[in-house]
Amino acid sequence: GQNIDQPTEMTATEGAIVQINCTYQTSGFNGLFWYQQHAGEAPTFLSYNVLDGLEEKGRFSSFLSRSKGYSYLLLKELQMKDSASYLCAVKDSNYQLIWGAGTKLIIKP
Amino acid sequence: NAGVTQTPKFRVLKTGQSMTLLCAQDMNHEYMYWYRQDPGMGLRLIHYSVGEGTTAKGEVPDGYNVSRLKKQNFLLGLESAAPSQTSVYFCASSFPEVGNQPQHFGDGTRLSIL
Repeated sequence: GQNIDQPTEMTATEGAIVQINCTYQTSGFNGLFWYQQHAGEAPTFLSYNVLDGLEEKGRFSSFLSRSKGYSYLLLKELQMKDSASYLCAVKDSNYQLIWGAGTKLIIKP
Repeated sequence: NAGVTQTPKFRVLKTGQSMTLLCAQDMNHEYMYWYRQDPGMGLRLIHYSVGEGTTAKGEVPDGYNVSRLKKQNFLLGLESAAPSQTSVYFCASSFPEVGNQPQHFGDGTRLSIL
């Protein structure tokens, strides 16, 4: 079967750095997405990785290792507004998105 | 720029009632999707459409029907609502699924079945 694993919840301090991990087992791989979802709101696109390595976009970076079936989202200089759920999703061989359950990130002052 | 609009935002139904959830997008996207989101689970695909007049089943299609009569609209129907269909429903749209085209989501419909 297809599976995406993420930690359920993480806590970090304002101004710090946090890394959210995602491991996947899917039938084929056509890219990995990270989305942010604030409570009661729609998911919004953060990043896309299809090749191994690090993609940096401002305070957010995303890393991919296809051989290890592993990705992480790195958030720097954490702000209170970063409190949200972070969803990892993999596009499989049929170009369907398989979603993880999400990681709820709690930022403390 | 509205993006993806879902109506209604909230609804309470009794078991056995039927209803239709509406989704409209103004981004000229070919692909549209209906997901449900339940606590502790990832988004699960109900049905999707790759163009006007076409629909296909996703991971959890039972109890739902869809129609895509116009490119900008994608309707999700519940034929006979059951408590197990209590969920948050998200509509999304995108350009064809090649490369890094992200899906754009509506704000969701919170549906409770009593």
